Amino acid sequence: EPEVTQTPSHQVTQMGQEVILRCVPISNHLYFYWYRQILGQKVEFLVSFYNNEISEKSEIFDDQFSVERPDGSNFTLKIRSTKLEDSAMYFCASSTRAPRETQYFGPGTRLLVL
Amino acid sequence: TQLLEQSPQFLSIQEGENLTVYCNSSSVFSSLQWYRQEPGEGPVLLVTVVTGGEVKKLKRLTFQFGDARKDSSLHITAAQPGDTGLYLCAVCNFGNEKLTFGTGTRLTIIP
Repeated sequence: EPEVTQTPSHQVTQMGQEVILRCVPISNHLYFYWYRQILGQKVEFLVSFYNNEISEKSEIFDDQFSVERPDGSNFTLKIRSTKLEDSAMYFCASSTRAPRETQYFGPGTRLLVL
Repeated sequence: TQLLEQSPQFLSIQEGENLTVYCNSSSVFSSLQWYRQEPGEGPVLLVTVVTGGEVKKLKRLTFQFGDARKDSSLHITAAQPGDTGLYLCAVCNFGNEKLTFGTGTRLTIIP
């Protein structure tokens, strides 16, 4: 069964460093998403991406965040200058179309900012 | 921002018992999804409901979407240790693309 994959599974970085989290969505899906989950808290929406542009973003997704689909398979989340409070699980998801279609989640990248 | 309240927050029961967990809001949703999340992993989709009053069964799990599409319940029959996990409801509102997640119910089934 097709699934969303994410790399790396864990990332440790120093405050102020840039990180890139990578995702390979399900191949025939058209909508891509990033969510995050701070330890012990709810899963929170960051951004959605369709047709090579951001279609919706939350207030969390400020100027330090960016997303890109550099080729036909990868979908990346870049955090330019990480802060301690960016430590969280980051989940990628994809769906065939929005807004009523099911979103399928990847296993997540655990980011720890020191 | 709509708030999805899940209850109970924690539930611990003996293997073989039945249980129901709830997802409630004051808002109307276009669709509602239930996920289960294991520690350190991503949410895994269990079911999507889109029609008011809809009932879906997945083996021992029964999901119901409220008639007014504001709430949902998940009933597990004869719970097993493998049912242990964090159960999340999530909604996609009309015209939006993002999923809004509930607060979750952490279920523990004691062998």
